[in-house]
Amino acid sequence: QQQVKQSPQSLIVQKGGISIINCAYENTAFDYFPWYQQFPGKGPALLIAIRPDVSEKKEGRFTISFNKSAKQFSLHIMDSQPGDSATYFCAATRGSARQLTFGSGTQLTVLP
Amino acid sequence: NAGVMQNPRHLVRRRGQEARLRCSPMKGHSHVYWYRQLPEEGLKFMVYLQKENIIDESGMPKERFSAEFPKEGPSILRIQQVVRGDSAAYFCASSEGMNTEAFFGQGTRLTVV
Repeated sequence: QQQVKQSPQSLIVQKGGISIINCAYENTAFDYFPWYQQFPGKGPALLIAIRPDVSEKKEGRFTISFNKSAKQFSLHIMDSQPGDSATYFCAATRGSARQLTFGSGTQLTVLP
Repeated sequence: NAGVMQNPRHLVRRRGQEARLRCSPMKGHSHVYWYRQLPEEGLKFMVYLQKENIIDESGMPKERFSAEFPKEGPSILRIQQVVRGDSAAYFCASSEGMNTEAFFGQGTRLTVV
């Protein structure tokens, strides 16, 4: 019940295209859903996060869509750039704690 | 304002040796979290500490692993009698409080030979 399932495992997108990564969770107690970006050899960096009281949050080219009834959330990267090539992780946590449950990651490659 | 500092960045240990991983949180942060990342996998929560206290160690293996965050100095993740399966990247994160963002360090890559 603590799992967060992420798909796809890898994604190749042309420059300027839209990258979409999906996550699903089971634990309805989760109430905070961040996305992290990780470059090789680096630690994860917070990209954008959402709480279940909103259905969408946008920051620049990055948008999180949240479907509480389906227990799913997704990351959309508009106008994808080669510099966006990285591994993306969705995560979830509950309450005021910050112990994160991570998805398995999506390796995004944006072709020039 | 330095970020979360982890050292060493790379650590090689022979089977049976001890590994000590250090994490200095960001200035003003008193909450520390340790995660383990196996190859091709997501990060798995291990332990959550505040100064001198272990708050949640539900993700820690029952044997050989321990963690501390003393009043002075960095947080230490200690792995005794390492085995090949301990080879992974270990990440530390810190936050100012319980309900604030956690920032990750660059990790320590442990290789057991």
